[in-house]
Amino acid sequence: AQTVTQSQPEMSVQEAETVTLSCTYDTSESDYYLFWYKQPPSRQMILVIRQEAYKQQNATENRFSVNFQKAAKSFSLKISDSQLGDAAMYFCAYRSPPGTYKYIFGTGTRLKVLA
Amino acid sequence: DTEVTQTPKHLVMGMTNKKSLKCEQHMGHRAMYWYKQKAKKPPELMFVYSYEKLSINESVPSRFSPECPNSSLLNLHLHALQPEDSALYLCASSQVSRSYEQYFGPGTRLTVT
Repeated sequence: AQTVTQSQPEMSVQEAETVTLSCTYDTSESDYYLFWYKQPPSRQMILVIRQEAYKQQNATENRFSVNFQKAAKSFSLKISDSQLGDAAMYFCAYRSPPGTYKYIFGTGTRLKVLA
Repeated sequence: DTEVTQTPKHLVMGMTNKKSLKCEQHMGHRAMYWYKQKAKKPPELMFVYSYEKLSINESVPSRFSPECPNSSLLNLHLHALQPEDSALYLCASSQVSRSYEQYFGPGTRLTVT
């Protein structure tokens, strides 16, 4: 069975600095997708970034980028130039191959941004 | 329109009540999901509908009854709930193509008294 592990329950970063959130996963599949979702306090969960397993190039979205290491089954999220609005719970998620619709979420990392 | 809406935002119900949660999306997505989320925990998958048919039921108790009347609507009927069912109930939708990231609604905060 697939598993997703986020080993950092909580992280803090100074405003304008860079922070990296860790995620590891376990799967025997070769075709899958990985996501980072952000859930601000009492607000909607939104997609931050996604990575297709078959792509070697790391995904980037503005200040957000990932370091995808397929062999190591690692998928970390780097947030550059951190802003107060980045404070949220971040969930790493694994989506099994097409047709199964099952998402597996990690336990989450709460990110605090210090002014 | 990339929005998933959920009503009501808050719901308080007794253990003998019957209530329903509603979810709607107009993005043309053919997969819709119900999740339960406890405080400071990740979402737990409950049900998945694809093309209006139930695809996944994660062994959810029968006091939760999902319904997908059409491709835009998803309901969750609640009956004889327990206090431990109090949680945030999230609806999500996605395409059924390869790259189907989920779009989440804001959730319904349910309290069972």
